[in-house]
Amino acid sequence: AQSVTQLDSHVSVSEGTPVLLRCNYSSSYSPSLFWYVQHPNKGLQLLLKYTSAATLVKGINGFEAEFKKSETSFHLTKPSAHMSDAAEYFCVVTPPGGGKLIFGQGTELSVKP
Amino acid sequence: DAGVTQSPTHLIKTRGQQVTLRCSPISGHKSVSWYQQVLGQGPQFIFQYYEKEERGRGNFPDRFSARQFPNYSSELNVNALLLGDSALYLCASSLGAQGPTDTQYFGPGTRLTVL
Repeated sequence: AQSVTQLDSHVSVSEGTPVLLRCNYSSSYSPSLFWYVQHPNKGLQLLLKYTSAATLVKGINGFEAEFKKSETSFHLTKPSAHMSDAAEYFCVVTPPGGGKLIFGQGTELSVKP
Repeated sequence: DAGVTQSPTHLIKTRGQQVTLRCSPISGHKSVSWYQQVLGQGPQFIFQYYEKEERGRGNFPDRFSARQFPNYSSELNVNALLLGDSALYLCASSLGAQGPTDTQYFGPGTRLTVL
């Protein structure tokens, strides 16, 4: 069965410093992995997706993630945090063939001025 | 282009009542999925529909049902509401039902409160 574990429930950074949100996955097959962001009282927005092409995936708003099969990780990074990045971030995996999305528990990112 | 739309935005019901939530997918998308997001948790998959047929069902009781119409819009019905059904209900649409490139795009959700 596929699953994802987000290693931090809350991350706090200062504006202008790097962001690292950690995600480990469990999958019997080569997975499809996503990061979604949810701002307060808003729906989910796709940041980026990995579908077995390049292992370094670039997304919107300066975010990127690297797929590391040996570590079963798909961590999300951004070189410099902005106040508008404060939100809930979800790491997501899909089973082989797609279909339903399986979400992690989420990581709340706070950005201090 | 319009994104995924959901109605109503908010809803308050009492225990035992029934509720219907509505979703319109992005134009050209033929698949709609429903998710339940309880406060403080990640969304949980409820249903996926493609071309009016159920393609997947999550671990939810039979009180939850859904359907998809010829124009690809969808309704989620919940009967005999319980306090635990209070959640944000999210609808997502995608071009197809399967395949790693069938990215799901989410609507803003319907906030259901059961008293």
